[in-house]
Amino acid sequence: ELVMTQSPAALSVSPGERAALACRASQSVSSDLAWYQQKPGQAPRLLIYGASTRATGIPARFSGSGSGTEFTLTISSLQSEDFAVYYCQHYNNWPLLFGQGTKLEIK
Amino acid sequence: EVQLLESGGGLVQPGGSLRLSCAASGFTFSSYAMNWVRQAPGKGLEWVSSISGRSDGTYYADSVKGRFTISRDNSKNTLNLQMSSLRAEDTAVYYCAKVTLAPDSNGYYPWNFDYWGQGTLVTVSS
Repeated sequence: ELVMTQSPAALSVSPGERAALACRASQSVSSDLAWYQQKPGQAPRLLIYGASTRATGIPARFSGSGSGTEFTLTISSLQSEDFAVYYCQHYNNWPLLFGQGTKLEIK
Repeated sequence: EVQLLESGGGLVQPGGSLRLSCAASGFTFSSYAMNWVRQAPGKGLEWVSSISGRSDGTYYADSVKGRFTISRDNSKNTLNLQMSSLRAEDTAVYYCAKVTLAPDSNGYYPWNFDYWGQGTLVTVSS
């Protein structure tokens, strides 16, 4: 069965700096990859789908890249509101799977 | 404005049953597949089940197959999840979520989720 692995598990970055979060699939998922942001006590928020398409209302500082098995979510200049947990999710086949998450912390 | 409002969560004993509902508004409900995703306390997200817009396709995680049943009532804009034979490991916040796009000409849905409810907590404990 397909496995989604996110790295690192936690990342400490200073505001204004760039962050790159990785997601790896154990087999190709083409571009059927989404990224979500979740803050404590809140529902997840869709950031990116189709590996690189920003969802409605998502700031341009969020970008997604990759295809096949290797994907990256890049936040170009971190704002205070960006510190949260980020999940990738593939939707290439059943079952749908989320990665285990990357916690983005303030340095 | 799209709104999804879950209800039906609560405390249930192991082996018991519970029915979750999600009331949808602000979009053409029948045109979009719907989904349940759960999150155990302090843990990550786990996909549970999905259903196509016309209910002609239902899908389940192995962890709930045979115990949970997803359904929808397009006349009432409501999504349901009937849960039976509940286990302690089913304890979680359950979110309903809408797929981002309506199906293409081949009936294919991209199964990512642009709107989520606020979640309803299910606790399975004696």
